Amino acid sequence: GAGVSQSPSNKVTEKGKDVELRCDPISGHTALYWYRQSLGQGLEFLIYFQGNSAPDKSGLPSDRFSAERTGGSVSTLTIQRTQQEDSAVYLCASSLNRNPSEAFFGQGTRLTVV
Amino acid sequence: GIQVEQSPPDLILQEGANSTLRCNFSDSVNNLQWFHQNPWGQLINLFYIPSGTKQNGRLSATTVATERYSLLYISSSQTTDSGVYFCAVLTLDTGRRALTFGSGTRLQVQP
Repeated sequence: GAGVSQSPSNKVTEKGKDVELRCDPISGHTALYWYRQSLGQGLEFLIYFQGNSAPDKSGLPSDRFSAERTGGSVSTLTIQRTQQEDSAVYLCASSLNRNPSEAFFGQGTRLTVV
Repeated sequence: GIQVEQSPPDLILQEGANSTLRCNFSDSVNNLQWFHQNPWGQLINLFYIPSGTKQNGRLSATTVATERYSLLYISSSQTTDSGVYFCAVLTLDTGRRALTFGSGTRLQVQP
């Protein structure tokens, strides 16, 4: 696609439920990143995928968070047993398969846990 | 990991004024990007500038990699320039291959 696409744009969920957030990177981009931005804060790194290499999961805040990338393209971030502190905007970015290269962000998914 | 500091944290300008935003980083970098986050939350790429100087309209940026800082210049500011400006860096000296963000400069341009 023309840009990084994320869905849904907004998600309201009840505490304790599981949620899945989707990211569709720019066509041809093999590197994919997830970040989290809490209200009024900067961006916090969560996880990084590069081609077929093992992902860098060092930013995931707890074992309730997981992500996968199928076929080297679309990625899904899953949050299990959501808590109110998980409320944030979740941003996805992608870049070409070289280091370094310019990263481009999607519009984000605003998650609200009630 | 690498540290990124942005200054000032907040800035209020009158329309037409010029400004300089600064980004300091603690280690050598292989990538540096400036982003503008608009009021709708979208991160817009401004510059990919690991070194040197670039200009795009009223905006320009300079990165002095040897001295570990980058500057973003906004000239003749407009109300549409309002939002948060983020600097983000990547160093290949560590295992992490993702951008590390500063805490941003929140800019408000008043008419």
